[in-house]
Amino acid sequence: EDQVTQSPEALRLQEGESSSLNCSYTVSGLRGLFWYRQDPGKGPEFLFTLYSAGEEKEKERLKATLTKKESFLHITAPKPEDSATYLCAVTQGAQKLVFGQGTRLTINP
Amino acid sequence: SAVISQKPSRDICQRGTSLTIQCQVDSQVTMMFWYRQQPGQSLTLIATANQGSEATYESGFVIDKFPISRPNLTFSTLTVSNMSPEDSSIYLCSVGEANYGYTFGSGTRLTVV
Repeated sequence: EDQVTQSPEALRLQEGESSSLNCSYTVSGLRGLFWYRQDPGKGPEFLFTLYSAGEEKEKERLKATLTKKESFLHITAPKPEDSATYLCAVTQGAQKLVFGQGTRLTINP
Repeated sequence: SAVISQKPSRDICQRGTSLTIQCQVDSQVTMMFWYRQQPGQSLTLIATANQGSEATYESGFVIDKFPISRPNLTFSTLTVSNMSPEDSSIYLCSVGEANYGYTFGSGTRLTVV
């Protein structure tokens, strides 16, 4: 059974304090690993898709990386507006997404 | 990427009643997905809806409780039937595929009293 585990469950940082979120997965035939941002009361907002080990993608203060067992979302010099829940999801042949539990990130000014 | 309009955005319903949630997409899509997000939890897939065929339900979800319609390539509905307080959740629709990514609607926040 496909599984996605995110850690930590919650993370509180000071503004400017860089850190990383982890997403470990077990899936046969990975077709894609997805990172989403979700603000309270809203639907998930797409951030990145990674398809193969070694792939990296960046967007503003965020950088996502992928290995054969896990993905990291690195946040560099975060700002309070980066506070949100970050969701990781994987998909294989069935096209459906399997989500992790999310990491609730709080950036204090 | 596709733009999804989902409604209602929120509702408060009496137990034993039903609520139908609508999703309209601005382009034709093959598959639409319906998710449930219980309070403080992540997203769980309810079913996959293809136009012209019966929806495919995930383990733990049944058609009698969550009937889905998919009348054309841009529209789908999810009905939450005979509601109980345990059905209080956010319900989301999504479109996309692995090669291109997935887009989500803004969600329907359902409270059952």
